[in-house]
Amino acid sequence: EVQLVESGGGLVQPGGSLRLSCAASGFTFSIYSMNWVRQAPGKGLEWVSYISSSSSTIYYADSVKGRFTISRDNAKNSLYLQMNSLRAGDTAVYYCARPLGTMGSSWPFDYWGQGTLVTVSS
Amino acid sequence: IQLTQSPSSLSASVGDRVTITCRASQGISSSLAWYQQKPGKAPKLLIYAASTLQSGVPSRFSGSGSGTDFTLTISSLQPEDFATYYCQQLNSYPYTFGQGTKLEIK
Repeated sequence: EVQLVESGGGLVQPGGSLRLSCAASGFTFSIYSMNWVRQAPGKGLEWVSYISSSSSTIYYADSVKGRFTISRDNAKNSLYLQMNSLRAGDTAVYYCARPLGTMGSSWPFDYWGQGTLVTVSS
Repeated sequence: IQLTQSPSSLSASVGDRVTITCRASQGISSSLAWYQQKPGKAPKLLIYAASTLQSGVPSRFSGSGSGTDFTLTISSLQPEDFATYYCQQLNSYPYTFGQGTKLEIK
């Protein structure tokens, strides 16, 4: 059974840092690209970041570029999101999400974690 | 690429046929997915490649469209279908989502 379990969320002050983790199991993590998606309270979904299976290609939303860093450890079946210079607008539930396919692009996200809440407030 | 969903909210009854539209700011071929999200839960993939039904999703859900205009249709609403629906373009990063359509019970 495919499972994605996020952790690392919590309350942080503006300007602070937080590192999210996503533990993957039930599939061959090393051959899938991965994504982070967030959802502010009561708001819609916002794609945050993408990393290819080998970490060779990385993309970020403009809203987090220069502040967030995505990474992965295929030996540990884990995905990470290092979040620095956090702002109130970064308050959201953060989901890791796996694409449906492994080859090519344009794959939707068929598996999502349960999400971890990040609250940026003083 | 911006996605605009309409309507933003919709009231309907069990058994109704419902259509939600998603318009892209530029052509995205058929690179569009639809998700259903219930409160406190992660989104669930319903449709991808504009019209391909994800495994395990009931056949009352269907999708159509290409280029800039897309639709999600629920042929006969069931009680479990009341949720928020999002479209997502997968043509190019950033993989943007529509703002969502909240489907409520009339």
